[in-house]
Amino acid sequence: SQTIHQWPATLVQPVGSPLSLECTVEGTSNPNLYWYRQAAGRGLQLLFYSVGIGQISSEVPQNLSASRPQDRQFILSSKKLLLSDSGFYLCAWNGLANTEAFFGQGTRLTVV
Amino acid sequence: GQQVMQIPQYQHVQEGEDFTTYCNSSTTLSNIQWYKQRPGGHPVFLIQLVKSGEVKKQKRLTFQFGEAKKNSSLHITASHPRDSAVYICAVDPGGSQGNLIFGKGTKLSVKP
Repeated sequence: SQTIHQWPATLVQPVGSPLSLECTVEGTSNPNLYWYRQAAGRGLQLLFYSVGIGQISSEVPQNLSASRPQDRQFILSSKKLLLSDSGFYLCAWNGLANTEAFFGQGTRLTVV
Repeated sequence: GQQVMQIPQYQHVQEGEDFTTYCNSSTTLSNIQWYKQRPGGHPVFLIQLVKSGEVKKQKRLTFQFGEAKKNSSLHITASHPRDSAVYICAVDPGGSQGNLIFGKGTKLSVKP
């Protein structure tokens, strides 16, 4: 069966520090991969999506970046965090078009 | 771009009362999906609707897709405190990318 792993679960980082969140998927090949952010009391905001290795589409301009070095690995990064980067970050995957999305457990990031 | 609106944003009900949330799109959809996100958790897939006018039931939950495939509703009968969550719709505007667009969700609080 397919599983999705996302870590860490919680993270407290100072302003200006770098960020690296990792997401891996097991049990499927060539998944569509997504990074979402959910600010407190707000909905899911799509940050990046990827349909294949090295293919990244950015939905919202920001100081974050994403990379997909392997088929089932998706990484969210930042060189210098801002206070506004605080939020709940969720990795997700789905298969062929129109299929349901499976979410990781999420990373609660607090930038202080 | 594709917009999806969910109403209401918040809903407080007493245990045993019914609840309905609506998801509206400005364009015709290929399909619509519903997710449930418990406090502190990640969104979990509930159901997908594909056909015009489709109605699906899961125990006390009834999902409906509009005839024009531009809107959908989720109705909960005799709500229970364990139904407290954010209910989020996601739409697939079409194409082969599988890039779902999520609504902001309706936060339901059921008081015992």
